[in-house]
Amino acid sequence: EIVLTQSPATLSLSPGERATLSCRASQSVSSYLAWYQQKPGQTPRLLIYDASNRATGIPARFNGSGSGTDFTLTISSLEPEDFAVYYCQQSSNWRQTFGQGTKLEIK
Amino acid sequence: QVQLQESGPGLVKPSQTLSLTCTVSGGSISSGGYYWSWIRQYPGKGLEWIGNIYYTGSTSYNPSLKSRITILVHTSKSQFSLEVNSVTDADTAVYYCARFCSSASCYRFAFDIWGQGTMVTVSS
Repeated sequence: EIVLTQSPATLSLSPGERATLSCRASQSVSSYLAWYQQKPGQTPRLLIYDASNRATGIPARFNGSGSGTDFTLTISSLEPEDFAVYYCQQSSNWRQTFGQGTKLEIK
Repeated sequence: QVQLQESGPGLVKPSQTLSLTCTVSGGSISSGGYYWSWIRQYPGKGLEWIGNIYYTGSTSYNPSLKSRITILVHTSKSQFSLEVNSVTDADTAVYYCARFCSSASCYRFAFDIWGQGTMVTVSS
C-alpha cells in the first residue's frame, strides 16, 4: 500500500499570505495525485487532479505541482474561505489512499 | 448533474453487518470511465478509501478491509451498495459514496462527486 505523508499537520497563516502544503508518497505515483479541501461539516471538494490540473470552478490561486513522490499545493494569496483541511489522494494499481490532512488555520 | 445519496441505518450493533446504499441520480451509473466508490471518515479525522465498483461488477477493495467488505452494483436501480461484516466500534465513521474518474476525459483518478455522507455508529 502506498502511504501519503502530508506536512505540516497544521499551518497557521494570515489572509493574504502564501500557503505551501506538501504531500510525499512512499513510492512513485507518477502524476496520479489529487488535492481536496474540506471545511467543517462539509464534503471534501476536489481542487486539483493529475497533480497540477484545477477542477472546474477552482480559483487560479490554487496551484498543484510535483510528480513521482513529492507534490505541493500552493495557495498564492489566502482568502478567508481558504482556511480548511486539505487532503492529498493517490491512485495506483486501481487502489487509492489519502494523506492524513493538513489543517490550514487563521493565525 | 450527477448527484449521489447514501442511505442506511445510522446504528449497527457490534458483530453485525453494516449495509449502505448509494443512489445515483442525474446521470447513468453505467457511464464508461467512472467507478463508484465508498470512502469513510473517522470522527474528526482523515479519509479512508474502502473500495470501488464498475458498472460491470468489477471491484477493487482496500486490502485492510477486503476480508470483511462486499460492494455490489444494481444498475437497474441506479444504485450501488456496501456491506461490512463483523463490525466493531472501529467501524464508527461517516460513510461517503463518491464517483471516481478513470479516464482522461474527466478528472482522471480523482473523486469528483461525493454524497453528503451518512454517520454510522457501532454500539450495543
